[in-house]
Amino acid sequence: SAVISQKPSRDICQRGTSLTIQCQVDSQVTMMFWYRQQPGQSLTLIATANQGSEATYESGFVIDKFPISRPNLTFSTLTVSNMSPEDSSIYLCSVDGGAGQETQYFGPGTRLLVL
Amino acid sequence: RKEVEQDPGPFNVPEGATVAFNCTYSNSASQSFFWYRQDCRKEPKLLMSVYSSGNEDGRFTAQLNRASQYISLLIRDSKLSDSATYLCVVHTGGFKTIFGAGTRLFVKA
Repeated sequence: SAVISQKPSRDICQRGTSLTIQCQVDSQVTMMFWYRQQPGQSLTLIATANQGSEATYESGFVIDKFPISRPNLTFSTLTVSNMSPEDSSIYLCSVDGGAGQETQYFGPGTRLLVL
Repeated sequence: RKEVEQDPGPFNVPEGATVAFNCTYSNSASQSFFWYRQDCRKEPKLLMSVYSSGNEDGRFTAQLNRASQYISLLIRDSKLSDSATYLCVVHTGGFKTIFGAGTRLFVKA
């Protein structure tokens, strides 16, 4: 299994500002995923981060609001831009199990509160 | 209709009880199925995969009914440490994975 770290673990931000969340994996992985989990809700996929190409966004999420970088096979960032209180959530990065496995391993999450 | 539906609970059971969760999915082409466990304020972690033939891991048994499009998780001899949210997860092919909203379980002493 992969070991995944995220920074920051939590933050409180003012509306209108932006926050960049970092995700580091201890091994090279092809696919990295960014999810959002609002209180009491299921995980919602924001986008898939591909190394060497633009991220693939799910319906309802756009690059201007959630720009993603994937500079190498072990690292990715997600930026939450021009934040509003509705962006308050837990943001999780994950990687697939590799070698055709369909399981996913998750980072510890970033808890974001927007005032 | 949600793609993956679970009873949110909470299920409140005493230690030693047997508890079962069900999950239904809407996409008949779904290929792989999993149960994840999420502790309070923690990330989800894989509990077990679900196979058509059913599978067991200690006190946990998972079953899949493709005809009725539901998945079940049975926990026997519940422990206090089993208290968590259990997420039903369906992989529909490609890189599309759908998470249920989770079923909350509280095991009481």
